[in-house]
Amino acid sequence: GQQVMQIPQYQHVQEGEDFTTYCNSSTTLSNIQWYKQRPGGHPVFLIQLVKSGEVKKQKRLTFQFGEAKKNSSLHITATQTTDVGTYFCAGMKTSYDKVIFGPGTSLSVIP
Amino acid sequence: DAGITQSPRHKVTETGTPVTLRCHQTENHRYMYWYRQDPGHGLRLIHYSYGVKDTDKGEVSDGYSVSRSKTEDFLLTLESATSSQTSVYFCAISDLGGHYGYTFGSGTRLTVV
Repeated sequence: GQQVMQIPQYQHVQEGEDFTTYCNSSTTLSNIQWYKQRPGGHPVFLIQLVKSGEVKKQKRLTFQFGEAKKNSSLHITATQTTDVGTYFCAGMKTSYDKVIFGPGTSLSVIP
Repeated sequence: DAGITQSPRHKVTETGTPVTLRCHQTENHRYMYWYRQDPGHGLRLIHYSYGVKDTDKGEVSDGYSVSRSKTEDFLLTLESATSSQTSVYFCAISDLGGHYGYTFGSGTRLTVV
């Protein structure tokens, strides 16, 4: 079945350093979504990418959807302690499929 | 998010007992989902609903049942709780089947002893 993988599983960075997490699907995706979950909290929707090669920015966060629509990345510039949490990507194979979540990347930021 | 609430927030139960978790939404969204979250597994779909009395299985549905008698309520029942069902359970809602993202509840931490 469809699988969505993420790397790395864990990342520890010094505050101010950049951070990137990568999401890869075994099949072409209709869209990709990104969520953030703070420790002890619930996942919160960040953004959705739909078009091949799409790039979207939210302040220090940059999201990309690959040309083949099988991979995506989230890049955070100059991390802050407020960025701590687990970042999940989630993809839909077709517009009518359910969302499949990746296992997440846990980000720790050292002050 | 204020539009979706889960109850209880925490529960400890004994092996073999039935347990029901409740998800209530005030957004009038058509789609509702139950996920479980375990370390190393991310979020796994248990069951989902696409309307009143319309439900379907997810990838880890064994040992679980659901009911949706009203748009706003989606119940998850563990028919006979086992220790492997110790987990954090999240309810989610969406208005277009996952397009434009899900809104998650705050979760229920269930411990089966």
